[in-house]
Amino acid sequence: QVQLQESGPGLVKPSETLSLTCSVSDDSISSFYWSWIRQPAGKGLAWIGRLHTRGSNNYNPSLESRVTMSADTSKNQISLKLTSLTDADTAVYYCARERRDASGWLYFDSWGQGTVVTVSS
Amino acid sequence: DIQMTQSPSSLSASVGDRVTITCRASQAIRNHLAWFQQKPGKAPKSLIYAASSLQSGVPSNFSGSGSGTDFTLTISSLQPEDFATYYCQQYNSYPLTFGGGTKVEIK
Repeated sequence: QVQLQESGPGLVKPSETLSLTCSVSDDSISSFYWSWIRQPAGKGLAWIGRLHTRGSNNYNPSLESRVTMSADTSKNQISLKLTSLTDADTAVYYCARERRDASGWLYFDSWGQGTVVTVSS
Repeated sequence: DIQMTQSPSSLSASVGDRVTITCRASQAIRNHLAWFQQKPGKAPKSLIYAASSLQSGVPSNFSGSGSGTDFTLTISSLQPEDFATYYCQQYNSYPLTFGGGTKVEIK
């Protein structure tokens, strides 16, 4: 069964750049699509963007100007960079694996345990 | 963006009860709808995709139905481990969007 493990700095200052990594075990990242999702404390889930190692990325337009997703196939890792941080970016950040349903559309089937990010000076 | 509206936002139920949660999309999404369960301090767990297909390992007391704009998650007999918050999510078009959640509490 695939294991996803997010990691990151925990605390980041306003205006700085957040860098997170999702390490994937028991599956090649090249075989699937991958998304980042975040959840502010006590609130709902918000999709950040999607990546495939052999295709183009798709980002939420609300974050597109600040987001970059990339992959390191040699380490089997997915990465997220989010620039110009504000308090509103404080959240738990999850990576998730996606696979195709019978009609070929992508859905989330496995999630990491999440990593807490706090934006504060 | 497609807005996903869940109702109710919370409910109280007893072990053994039948529970139904509704999710409505602001525009038609065919059957491109998933449901997730989330317990406090934990990551979401995928329950259902394609509106009615159970993820591997999910108990059969969970079921989903619907197509177009109206969807339902049903727990046929609520178990102690089912008390959690449930989210729907559309994957028909970008950006992918989630409902606001339904918290299922112990009566």
